[in-house]
Amino acid sequence: DTEVTQTPKHLVMGMTNKKSLKCEQHMGHRAMYWYKQKAKKPPELMFVYSYEKLSINESVPSRFSPECPNSSLLNLHLHALQPEDSALYLCASSQDNRAGGTYFGPGTRLTVT
Amino acid sequence: QKEVEQNSGPLSVPEGAIASLNCTYSDRGSQSFFWYRQYSGKSPELIMFIYSNGDKEDGRFTAQLNKASQYVSLLIRDSQPSDSATYLCAVGSYGQNFVFGPGTRLSVLP
Repeated sequence: DTEVTQTPKHLVMGMTNKKSLKCEQHMGHRAMYWYKQKAKKPPELMFVYSYEKLSINESVPSRFSPECPNSSLLNLHLHALQPEDSALYLCASSQDNRAGGTYFGPGTRLTVT
Repeated sequence: QKEVEQNSGPLSVPEGAIASLNCTYSDRGSQSFFWYRQYSGKSPELIMFIYSNGDKEDGRFTAQLNKASQYVSLLIRDSQPSDSATYLCAVGSYGQNFVFGPGTRLSVLP
């Protein structure tokens, strides 16, 4: 099983809402990632959980906050987003952080209105 | 600043031809190299990874790595219209997260 699952597939939220994106993998991978991808651009790394340690891309605003309840689950909490945050949010996992995200989930298409 | 460069394309090849996609990287300490395929509106799909100099073949795909020249390429033999997508090169080092190139759009013409 090489699957990374993400829910929801689509999300529309207002700028005052609070929502969460969820990601799950059952491959025993020890590193999980959140990426943001805008149209016609490559994925941009936001957060890494590797061996229960969080690494943050310092350019990511604080209205995004990750949570890793266990080694199989990764959440991304969203609060007070801006329209420019509309993008495809991708979760990925890898056996270790050498691979930097070997397997990607299908993504959540987020629209902020 | 670690950089990964690719021609943005579009690269157009006729059906049945060989498509050649190239990627160069700036960090000589890079150890792992990946090619992803991404269809419009979908997530990236891993096609190949390569760690050592030389060629690695998987079906119609061949990855070529030359660390001395700091480039990695992907050859697609017998190109099909279904191969039309954006191909992302990603380069990484142990203990560090990898960097994506901007991607090359490939169009295979029937």
